[in-house]
Amino acid sequence: AQTVTQSQPEMSVQEAETVTLSCTYDTSESDYYLFWYKQPPSRQMILVIRQEAYKQQNATENRFSVNFQKAAKSFSLKISDSQLGDAAMYFCAYRSFGANSKLTFGKGITLSVRP
Amino acid sequence: GAVVSQHPSRVICKSGTSVKIECRSLDFQATTMFWYRQFPKKSLMLMATSNEGSKATYEQGVEKDKFLINHASLTLSTLTVTSAHPEDSSFYICSAGPSGRTETQYFGPGTRLLVL
Repeated sequence: AQTVTQSQPEMSVQEAETVTLSCTYDTSESDYYLFWYKQPPSRQMILVIRQEAYKQQNATENRFSVNFQKAAKSFSLKISDSQLGDAAMYFCAYRSFGANSKLTFGKGITLSVRP
Repeated sequence: GAVVSQHPSRVICKSGTSVKIECRSLDFQATTMFWYRQFPKKSLMLMATSNEGSKATYEQGVEKDKFLINHASLTLSTLTVTSAHPEDSSFYICSAGPSGRTETQYFGPGTRLLVL
């Protein structure tokens, strides 16, 4: 079974600064997807970024980028130019290939942004 | 695109009553949908996988008779909490992805259930 570990329960960043959220996972599969989801106080889960394991290039979405290290099974999220609206809970998630495959979530990390 | 809705957004009910929560994919068809439960400041816990036209697959420890799931069409799955008790109070979230595409799951806005 796959596991996802987010060891930091909380982090804080100054507005306009950069912060990196850590995530490691364990799997025996070679092809899979990795995700970062954001959950603001409204509790709506929002997709931040997705990485396909077969792609060597790290995914980027505007101010959000990942550092995907497949051999190390590491998948960190970098948020640049942090904004107050980035304050939320962030979940790292793993998904196998296959239409019925489920998401495996980490415990999440609460990010606060200081003005 | 890829919008998932849930109804109701919040519900308060008396102990012993049943509550139905709907999850709809608004602009795509979904053969499979997923139901989660989440406690405050905790991660999402998968309860069951809802399969269109067939029985749901429940995670270990989830009572099938307590949490009834019906996936009657390619755009609608329902979760019924039967004979609800205060310990069933929680935040319930569904997710779905377009049929035939395995990449991304999109989440509904969630339903807050409070059982008195």
